[in-house]
Amino acid sequence: DTTVKQNPRYKLARVGKPVNLICSQTMNHDTMYWYQKKPNQAPKLLLFYYDKILNREADTFEKFQSSRPNNSFCSLYIGSAGLEYSAMYLCASSRTGTYAEQFFGPGTRLTVL
Amino acid sequence: GDSVTQTEGQVALSEEDFLTIHCNYSASGYPALFWYVQYPGEGPQFLFRASRDKEKGSSRGFEATYDKGTTSFHLRKASVQESDSAVYYCALGESSFNKLTFGAGTRLAVCP
Repeated sequence: DTTVKQNPRYKLARVGKPVNLICSQTMNHDTMYWYQKKPNQAPKLLLFYYDKILNREADTFEKFQSSRPNNSFCSLYIGSAGLEYSAMYLCASSRTGTYAEQFFGPGTRLTVL
Repeated sequence: GDSVTQTEGQVALSEEDFLTIHCNYSASGYPALFWYVQYPGEGPQFLFRASRDKEKGSSRGFEATYDKGTTSFHLRKASVQESDSAVYYCALGESSFNKLTFGAGTRLAVCP
């Protein structure tokens, strides 16, 4: 099974409220990634976990948090949602190995009102 | 920082037409280059990669050649089908942690 699952598929949130998105994979991949995709823009890497180590991109460091309680699950957490967080959030995973392909989930569409 | 530019935002073709989607990159190192395809309701899926100059990647009739001189990795297909309608992303990849930098994508619509 090469499926990456994301829940929920659609999320409506109020400004100032927290948001938690969930991703899971059963391929025993070491690395899991979160991307943000806005219309007419490239998917933008937010952060990734290599095993239990979290790496956050410099320009989104304070905006997003994540946890990985076990190898299969990874969450993306927004402490206080703003309108600018409305986007598609894509989770992906990959095995260890130079230039290994990433496997993507279908995404969670977050709308902040 | 590293970047990827896809010239065409949208491409409309008829079945059996020849496809070219242009991809140029800017990178400080020597990255691998990828093409991903995204169908409606799904996440991007790996199409193929190339990791050195002049290497050709290919899959499902699509192909692209890594050209370090022109910093390009243009996607081509000789004869498109309606089922090829999708969004195509060019990306460059780092060797550490397989991080990807994507282009903005090209939406391909193929009419029967």
